[in-house]
Amino acid sequence: DSGVTQTPKHLITATGQRVTLRCSPRSGDLSVYWYQQSLDQGLQFLIQYYNGEERAKGNILERFSAQQFPDLHSELNLSSLELGDSALYFCASSPLVAGDTQYFGPGTRLTVL
Amino acid sequence: AQSVTQLGSHVSVSEGALVLLRCNYSSSVPPYLFWYVQYPNQGLQLLLKYTSAATLVKGINGFEAEFKKSETSFHLTKPSAHMSDAAEYFCAVRFSGNTGKLIFGQGTTLQVKP
Repeated sequence: DSGVTQTPKHLITATGQRVTLRCSPRSGDLSVYWYQQSLDQGLQFLIQYYNGEERAKGNILERFSAQQFPDLHSELNLSSLELGDSALYFCASSPLVAGDTQYFGPGTRLTVL
Repeated sequence: AQSVTQLGSHVSVSEGALVLLRCNYSSSVPPYLFWYVQYPNQGLQLLLKYTSAATLVKGINGFEAEFKKSETSFHLTKPSAHMSDAAEYFCAVRFSGNTGKLIFGQGTTLQVKP
């Protein structure tokens, strides 16, 4: 158990819908990261937040957005869902902004039908 | 462009045999390097990391990796494979910069045969 929690574990929805994935980092960790794992793209970095501020952005679509709240939990919002958005979405956390180990949650498996 | 490449999407070894999973990165500046393991239906677990200290890094479960700057490599090894080592292994790189962004290789699935 990494100490990072993600909800829900599974999510099945239809094209065009909007979903919210939630992540609670390890106690004391200020950085939260979101990654997408799909068969065709592999593991890709989406976005990093540090202490409530966006820190780095990767291959995140404009239909996707994220935020980190004052209690440091984070949410990833996916809208206008397409079949290709079906993937495993991981959240990770680390104590600092860079350089230290990232601890991964169990992931949310999103299926878009 | 900065990238990381894992050679071999599938590696099969016999139980008790040497495990060698290959990882190469492209960067003019040595990055931070990590190996993660993913068991079926689970998240990623850190095996070991290189952060510019010793070039030979020991991790959990008997794994180790050696950073070779001249070869831009960070290959993962284990002297004797166990059935429980069957999983997917990812090499990841954090290049210089004030973010924690990790770039992952495509992953290598390790099969261990009895």
